[in-house]
Amino acid sequence: EDKVVQSPLSLVVHEGDTVTLNCSYEVTNFRSLLWYKQEKKAPTFLFMLTSSGIEKKSGRLSSILDKKELFSILNITATQTGDSAIYLCAVRGLNAGNNRKLIWGLGTSLAVNP
Amino acid sequence: GAGVSQSPSNKVTEKGKDVELRCDPISGHTALYWYRQSLGQGLEFLIYFQGNSAPDKSGLPSDRFSAERTGGSVSTLTIQRTQQEDSAVYLCASSFVGNSNQPQHFGDGTRLSIL
Repeated sequence: EDKVVQSPLSLVVHEGDTVTLNCSYEVTNFRSLLWYKQEKKAPTFLFMLTSSGIEKKSGRLSSILDKKELFSILNITATQTGDSAIYLCAVRGLNAGNNRKLIWGLGTSLAVNP
Repeated sequence: GAGVSQSPSNKVTEKGKDVELRCDPISGHTALYWYRQSLGQGLEFLIYFQGNSAPDKSGLPSDRFSAERTGGSVSTLTIQRTQQEDSAVYLCASSFVGNSNQPQHFGDGTRLSIL
């Protein structure tokens, strides 16, 4: 059965710290891996990764994919209180029904304290 | 519109009543998705529309749940004879093309509470 596992489930850090969030997956016929940030309401799209070893970067956030070891990491440097959120990982595969459904992890809840 | 719009933002109703949730996707997005998110749980897929048809309804938890989409735009999710376990945040997302590598963009959700 396809699955996406995120770790840690929750994390508390101080402003200025660097954090690394993990997402491992077992998904049939992998197509892409997506990271989202969810604050109070709507998840907002961060990155989509399709190729191994190519870092995606946006400000203090960066992410990379390892398709051999089946995982991705999301790094946040110099964390700020506004980074406090749930970070969701989702993987798109191609299942037997030719359906490219997104499989979601449970998320990592990050709290950044001042 | 600029983003995915969902209404109502909050809905409180008594057990046994029917509820209707609405989603207005981003203009031009042909694919629309409904998810459910319960406290401490991940996103649970419910149904996916491509245009007005629903090629994947595999996530609908029971026959009390139904959804439709008209004009390739607005979608409604209907829950009949609501039960307490239906309490959750119902999220809608849209993308340019379904089942492709296009990212989904989410609305703020409807928080449904069944008393």
